[in-house]
Amino acid sequence: EVQLVESGGGLVQPGGSLRLSCAASGFTFSSYWMHWVRQAPGKGLVWVSRINSDGSGTDYAGSVKGRFTISRDNAKNTLYLQMNSLRAEDTAVYYCATCPKWNDPLDYWGQGTLVTVSS
Amino acid sequence: DIVMTQSPDSLAVSLGERATMNCKSSQSVLYSSDNNNYLAWYQQKPGQPPKLLIYWASTRESGVPDRFSGSGSGTDFTLTISSLQAEDVAVYYCQQYYGIPYTFGQGTKLEIK
Repeated sequence: EVQLVESGGGLVQPGGSLRLSCAASGFTFSSYWMHWVRQAPGKGLVWVSRINSDGSGTDYAGSVKGRFTISRDNAKNTLYLQMNSLRAEDTAVYYCATCPKWNDPLDYWGQGTLVTVSS
Repeated sequence: DIVMTQSPDSLAVSLGERATMNCKSSQSVLYSSDNNNYLAWYQQKPGQPPKLLIYWASTRESGVPDRFSGSGSGTDFTLTISSLQAEDVAVYYCQQYYGIPYTFGQGTKLEIK
């Protein structure tokens, strides 16, 4: 059974940093592209970033480019999102999701972790 | 960026009746080299993550009931629930995966009338 468990969310002040993790199990993690998608409270889904299966290629939404860094450790079956220079508008539930290959739909999602940026 | 626009924003349908919602993309998501529409539909129930229902515009994900169907091509797409069940109450999102950034519609909230 595919399992994705996000962690690392919490309350952070504007300008601060946070690192999210997504622990994967039940599938061959190193074969899958991985994505982060966020959802502000009461709002819709917004794609954030993706990384290819070996970690050599990444893409970002314009709103986070230069501030967020996606990475992965295939030996630990874990995906990361390093978030710097956080803003109030980054407040959201952050989901990790699997993707079999480039330009595929997001077929499995974690339960999400809440990031709140506030003073 | 490809803009995805869903209609209506909300929809109330009686149990057992048909529910239909639409999604329009600002540019075609039909990839000519493989003739696939890079369009997916997701269902999100309150307090849960999204769940993939339909991909390639009309292919049901494994385990999704056959009352859910997707249609359309190019820039105009439709998700239909043939006979609404109580457990179908949710917000439904379309998403294009034709290009980066992936983009979602704003969602259609489906309720029971």
